[in-house]
Amino acid sequence: AQSVSQHNHHVILSEAASLELGCNYSYGGTVNLFWYVQYPGQHLQLLLKYFSGDPLVKGIKGFEAEFIKSKFSFNLRKPSVQWSDTAEYFCAVKGGYNKLIFGAGTRLAVHP
Amino acid sequence: EAQVTQNPRYLITVTGKKLTVTCSQNMNHEYMSWYRQDPGLGLRQIYYSMNVEVTDKGDVPEGYKVSRKEKRNFPLILESPSPNQTSLYFCASSGDHYEQYFGPGTRLTVT
Repeated sequence: AQSVSQHNHHVILSEAASLELGCNYSYGGTVNLFWYVQYPGQHLQLLLKYFSGDPLVKGIKGFEAEFIKSKFSFNLRKPSVQWSDTAEYFCAVKGGYNKLIFGAGTRLAVHP
Repeated sequence: EAQVTQNPRYLITVTGKKLTVTCSQNMNHEYMSWYRQDPGLGLRQIYYSMNVEVTDKGDVPEGYKVSRKEKRNFPLILESPSPNQTSLYFCASSGDHYEQYFGPGTRLTVT
């Protein structure tokens, strides 16, 4: 069965630090990959997605992710985080018909 | 504005009292889905619907029912809620490109 693994459950950073959140998926075929963000008390919002083409994907709010097929990875990065990036981040892979399989999530806390 | 709406946003109920959480989308999406979110488990799919009158079980369907009589609406029904159904519930819809749009969530507490 397909699955998504997020390595870090909690990450604490200071403002201006660089961010990298790990995501690995288990699926050998064509993959559609997503990163969603959930700000405190809000619903999930799409940060970025990968379907095909350039493996380096740029999303909103300065986030980017790199698809590395050989490593089954889709890590999320941001060069300089802000306090407003405090949120929970979910990696997801498209499963069956329009189904998303989510990782457990990573809680990011950014301190001023 | 394109959106998915859910009601109620917060609900506290007692074991065994039937409840319905409504979900509506205004994007003419064919596909709709319900997820529950629990700490450390991420989001897990409960039920999904590919179109009107077409529904199927997701990964955690036990204790839930759904119906899809109209394209825009996809209510989640708990016939006899139990404490283990205390969770945060999200409805989602998507069109052709798999990107799912999520509702604001319903926080359910069953005592």
